[in-house]
Amino acid sequence: SAVISQKPSRDICQRGTSLTIQCQVDSQVTMMFWYRQQPGQSLTLIATANQGSEATYESGFVIDKFPISRPNLTFSTLTVSNMSPEDSSIYLCSVSGQGDYEQYFGPGTRLTVT
Amino acid sequence: GQNIDQPTEMTATEGAIVQINCTYQTSGFNGLFWYQQHAGEAPTFLSYNVLDGLEEKGRFSSFLSRSKGYSYLLLKELQMKDSASYLCAVRALEGGFKTIFGAGTRLFVKA
Repeated sequence: SAVISQKPSRDICQRGTSLTIQCQVDSQVTMMFWYRQQPGQSLTLIATANQGSEATYESGFVIDKFPISRPNLTFSTLTVSNMSPEDSSIYLCSVSGQGDYEQYFGPGTRLTVT
Repeated sequence: GQNIDQPTEMTATEGAIVQINCTYQTSGFNGLFWYQQHAGEAPTFLSYNVLDGLEEKGRFSSFLSRSKGYSYLLLKELQMKDSASYLCAVRALEGGFKTIFGAGTRLFVKA
């Protein structure tokens, strides 16, 4: 199984600012994903982070708002830009290996926007 | 598009058996997952089904019928610590390789 760490674990940010969340995996993985989980809700896929190319975004999510980087097979970042209170949520990094059906989740970053 | 349905809440008694159902509609089906999520924690993997039938793992079993777009998670000998949300998720090859989650079923286990 993969061990995933996320930084920061939580943050309180002001409206209009940006926050970058880091995801580090202890082994090389093929697939990396970013999810959002709003209070009392299930997980919504934001995008698939592709190594060496632009991320693939789901409907309703755009690169200008959620820029993603993935410079190698063990690390990715998600930036939440120009934040508003509606962005208050838990952001989760998730990984899966090639041929590995299990998908693992990081501990999440709890973001509060005031 | 994809659609995943599961009950919002269920209540069961300690020591009993509970079945949580999930129905789905998707294109490019590539497997169905069940995850457990305790409040304030990340989801943890419970099971994966890609072929029809029952997969058993200790107190937890998961069943899949691809023709019916149906799965269930069976929890036996319920314990208080099983109180959690149970998420049904479908992996699909549609516009990429990704896993989409249902809204989750919140299970309350009472003494």
